[in-house]
Amino acid sequence: SQTIHQWPATLVQPVGSPLSLECTVEGTSNPNLYWYRQAAGRGLQLLFYSVGIGQISSEVPQNLSASRPQDRQFILSSKKLLLSDSGFYLCAWSVLPTGELFFGEGSRLTVL
Amino acid sequence: GQQVMQIPQYQHVQEGEDFTTYCNSSTTLSNIQWYKQRPGGHPVFLIQLVKSGEVKKQKRLTFQFGEAKKNSSLHITATQTTDVGTYFCAGLGGRRALTFGSGTRLQVQP
Repeated sequence: SQTIHQWPATLVQPVGSPLSLECTVEGTSNPNLYWYRQAAGRGLQLLFYSVGIGQISSEVPQNLSASRPQDRQFILSSKKLLLSDSGFYLCAWSVLPTGELFFGEGSRLTVL
Repeated sequence: GQQVMQIPQYQHVQEGEDFTTYCNSSTTLSNIQWYKQRPGGHPVFLIQLVKSGEVKKQKRLTFQFGEAKKNSSLHITATQTTDVGTYFCAGLGGRRALTFGSGTRLQVQP
């Protein structure tokens, strides 16, 4: 069966520090991968999606970046965090772009 | 760009009352999906609708996709405390990734 792992679950970072969130999927090949962000009490904002290794589409201009170094690994990074980067970050995968999304447990980031 | 709106933002009901959330897209959708997010959790897929005018039921939940494929609704009959959470619609328009609505937070008073 397929599983998705996302870490760390919680982190508190100072403004200007770097960020790295990791997500891995097991039990499937060539998944579509996604990073969403959810501000407190708000909806899900699509940040990045990837249909294959090295293929990243960015949806929102920001100081975040994403990489897909391996087929089932998706990384969200920032060189310098802003206060506005605080939120709940969710990694997800799907078999097809049209199919259901399977979400990880999420990473709650607080930037102080 | 594509926008998906949901109303209401929040609804508080007494247990046993019905609940409906509505979803409207600025563009025609190829499909629409619904997700439920429990407090502190991650979204979990409920259902996908593809056909114009489609209606699907899951026990006390009824999902509809509009004839023009630009709107959808989720209706819960006789709510229970286990229905508490935020319900999101998500649509696939011209992009290759889902656009989520803002969500409707449901609180059920026992």
